[in-house]
Amino acid sequence: SSDLTQDPAVSVALGQTVRITCQGDSLRSYYATWYQQKPGRAPLLVIYDKNNRPSGIPDRFSGSNSGNTASLTITGAQAEDEADYYCNCRDNNGNHWLFGGGTKLTVL
Amino acid sequence: QVQLQESGPGLVKPSETLSLSCIVSGGSISSDYWSWIRQPPGNGLEWIGYISYSGRTNYHPSLKSRVTISADTSKNQFSLKLNSVTAADTAVYYCARLTIVGATSGFDYWGQGTLVTVSS
Repeated sequence: SSDLTQDPAVSVALGQTVRITCQGDSLRSYYATWYQQKPGRAPLLVIYDKNNRPSGIPDRFSGSNSGNTASLTITGAQAEDEADYYCNCRDNNGNHWLFGGGTKLTVL
Repeated sequence: QVQLQESGPGLVKPSETLSLSCIVSGGSISSDYWSWIRQPPGNGLEWIGYISYSGRTNYHPSLKSRVTISADTSKNQFSLKLNSVTAADTAVYYCARLTIVGATSGFDYWGQGTLVTVSS
């Protein structure tokens, strides 16, 4: 399959740690990139490559990869982290780009 | 800082052609890859395709028969045409820069997005 699968919704208590996962065959060959999207806004790249953050992204965001699964971890979730999170990478052939269905993160 | 800005009609009639442009500032479309991505209301993201720094295009297989992405380097802008539209093409359309380095790739700069509604 060339799909990327994410849990539709996840919740976390304020200040706690949450992991958002993304599964897909193509993740065995390509690194996932993660985006945060808040309502009415364009997606924002938060993690790329093995575990790199663009300038300005807090270090509570981290990424990891194992087999066909990529994970985005938020250590010490803040209220402003409540958003939709999407994973993205190439398909199995490396020719086209896929997005996961997105995970809605609620910070309680 | 690279900035992208979409422009185009917000309303398109069924069976007609959706046309959008994206003007790039702070960077040159003669490098990297320049993409279109869409998001139907309340739904997830879908990659439409890209045009490369060399003018090579690459489209999503499900849209390939209806999509054309082109570039005007003199204006530092690129464009999307999607023909024979239906209500299913109603979405927020984003332009974005795609950076590819080996096994890593990502859309690192995005426009603000523009809502296109397909309706008579």
